[in-house]
Amino acid sequence: SQTIHQWPATLVQPVGSPLSLECTVEGTSNPNLYWYRQAAGRGLQLLFYSVGIGQISSEVPQNLSASRPQDRQFILSSKKLLLSDSGFYLCAGQGGAFFGQGTRLTVV
Amino acid sequence: AQSVAQPEDQVNVAEGNPLTVKCTYSVSGNPYLFWYVQYPNRGLQFLLKYITGDNLVKGSYGFEAEFNKSQTSFHLKKPSALVSDSALYFCAVRDNGDTGKLIFGQGTTLQVKP
Repeated sequence: SQTIHQWPATLVQPVGSPLSLECTVEGTSNPNLYWYRQAAGRGLQLLFYSVGIGQISSEVPQNLSASRPQDRQFILSSKKLLLSDSGFYLCAGQGGAFFGQGTRLTVV
Repeated sequence: AQSVAQPEDQVNVAEGNPLTVKCTYSVSGNPYLFWYVQYPNRGLQFLLKYITGDNLVKGSYGFEAEFNKSQTSFHLKKPSALVSDSALYFCAVRDNGDTGKLIFGQGTTLQVKP
């Protein structure tokens, strides 16, 4: 069983500021990890996934990046936020049953 | 391409009545199917999944789902709805490639009225 920790829960950032969202996982080693974004309270879109340390795949072109510096750590970043980056961001573990509690990002 | 469709944006039921939230899928090969519930400003909570075996899958909080291969459907059901079941529900299918990523439907809002 995995536990996904994600923080912060909410974040309000000005346009052009940097972003760092952190996700850590307990209960398993070398899991696949995923970042999803949910816009407007509806469907979720996969942004990035990682199959191991330093291995990142991007699903869609965007203003964001991801890194996997440690086995159980997955970070979502941006150098300069855009208004369109606002949304609800979810980190997920392997197998489809494990999600973090999400981060509500509002770019103002 | 693999996809999931939830044809109803919203489903309204009275408390105590049975509920059904519909999901259809399109995949190549055998589908791995999931249902999740989301309460406002919260992460997804896993309800149940189908991988193989019995077509009727039982999950958390009294929910169940029926896998129908001929109709490519995986509808979520509950015999007696509770007001507390009111939430946003997502159906998803796991990608058959190496990524293990999930492909989500657009979600269905369930409203259970007392």
